[in-house]
Amino acid sequence: DAKTTQPTSMDCAEGRAANLPCNHSTISGNEYVYWYRQIHSQGPQYIIHGLKNNETNEMASLIITEDRKSSTLILPHATLRDTAVYYCIVRVSLMNRDDKIIFGKGTRLHILP
Amino acid sequence: DAGITQSPRHKVTETGTPVTLRCHQTENHRYMYWYRQDPGHGLRLIHYSYGVKDTDKGEVSDGYSVSRSKTEDFLLTLESATSSQTSVYFCAISEVPTWISTDTQYFGPGTRLTVL
Repeated sequence: DAKTTQPTSMDCAEGRAANLPCNHSTISGNEYVYWYRQIHSQGPQYIIHGLKNNETNEMASLIITEDRKSSTLILPHATLRDTAVYYCIVRVSLMNRDDKIIFGKGTRLHILP
Repeated sequence: DAGITQSPRHKVTETGTPVTLRCHQTENHRYMYWYRQDPGHGLRLIHYSYGVKDTDKGEVSDGYSVSRSKTEDFLLTLESATSSQTSVYFCAISEVPTWISTDTQYFGPGTRLTVL
């Protein structure tokens, strides 16, 4: 089972900031939060990841709460091309080879013109 | 984009026939993975490879086998395809294993397999 909880779907107006929440209340101290997205009929695309500090790159920002039990992915100026399913993933224990990345159901983000 | 290709991109086959999917990379990454994606399940790991001729099972490996005779190629074989194996299959690569590093995986474009 996935270790994260995300809303099933969200809408956002084009040009506005899209804020995608993710709950990971059972996250361990050595686990990272990763975000991927999947545009229809394409493979998953890496967006950003973080441990406890907020992170920003050319695609998005990641805000992680102080208790690390939840996070928010922010797409600052959403475009129609950002319509996709967004996956929040908790990276399993760094030293356990038998653990695998588990993708949940994700959030289907619709960018509205 | 990382140099990962998958072939074929689409395939329709009949129950009981063998099927082989190919993943090819030009990045010289050591680690390669095969996932399947089904509605309501997200991505699930089938098999992975940590080097030439070194492979291991993932969480849904039953009915699948893999081979890696060269760094750049990772083959997924369905020995006798079943309708439950109708899915979209993704190949992924990474420089270091996902379980010990914060490095990222890069995914291929996917193969849509339909078993009738």
